Amino acid sequence: SAVISQKPSRDICQRGTSLTIQCQVDSQVTMMFWYRQQPGQSLTLIATANQGSEATYESGFVIDKFPISRPNLTFSTLTVSNMSPEDSSIYLCSVEKAQGEYSNYGYTFGSGTRLTVV
Amino acid sequence: QKEVEQNSGPLSVPEGAIASLNCTYSDRGSQSFFWYRQYSGKSPELIMFIYSNGDKEDGRFTAQLNKASQYVSLLIRDSQPSDSATYLCAVTSNDYKLSFGAGTTVTVRA
Repeated sequence: SAVISQKPSRDICQRGTSLTIQCQVDSQVTMMFWYRQQPGQSLTLIATANQGSEATYESGFVIDKFPISRPNLTFSTLTVSNMSPEDSSIYLCSVEKAQGEYSNYGYTFGSGTRLTVV
Repeated sequence: QKEVEQNSGPLSVPEGAIASLNCTYSDRGSQSFFWYRQYSGKSPELIMFIYSNGDKEDGRFTAQLNKASQYVSLLIRDSQPSDSATYLCAVTSNDYKLSFGAGTTVTVRA
């Protein structure tokens, strides 16, 4: 299965600033997913990032707040813009499988970015 | 997103017992079903996936799927203290997007 490197692992940010989170995959993948996990809650899908096209956002999430880049098949970034304390969460990227790989491995997650906005 | 419901926790079981976790989903078109384990402060780790009706066993874990009832379960046999974690049920359909349940926290008492 694909291996994901996500950074930063954690950050403390001032309100009104922006943070960019990076995910690097060790193989080419078609779709990458970005999730948010608020304290004590489950994972909520923010958007799906496809190479060569704009990300597809889920209800309640907008591009101005969470711009996403997907410059190639192994890399994606999520920016949390104009942050407020309500954005304090864990952000995770995920991939289904590498291209050409039979999907027998489920979805893999990055190690997560723990964001605290003060 | 699809609705996924899990039995509310926390679930406390003695060491060596069977832990039973349940999950129901709303989208009848759901095709793939996953159980993830998440330790505190860590990212989810896939422990089981199932696509077809019936049982699937992997070591101490057994996943059961009943598509007619829109129900999937996870049994953990011979529970160990290291099994103490939050277990997340997730489903996906042909859009490849995972929808997660709220999770069930399991505590195995030594």
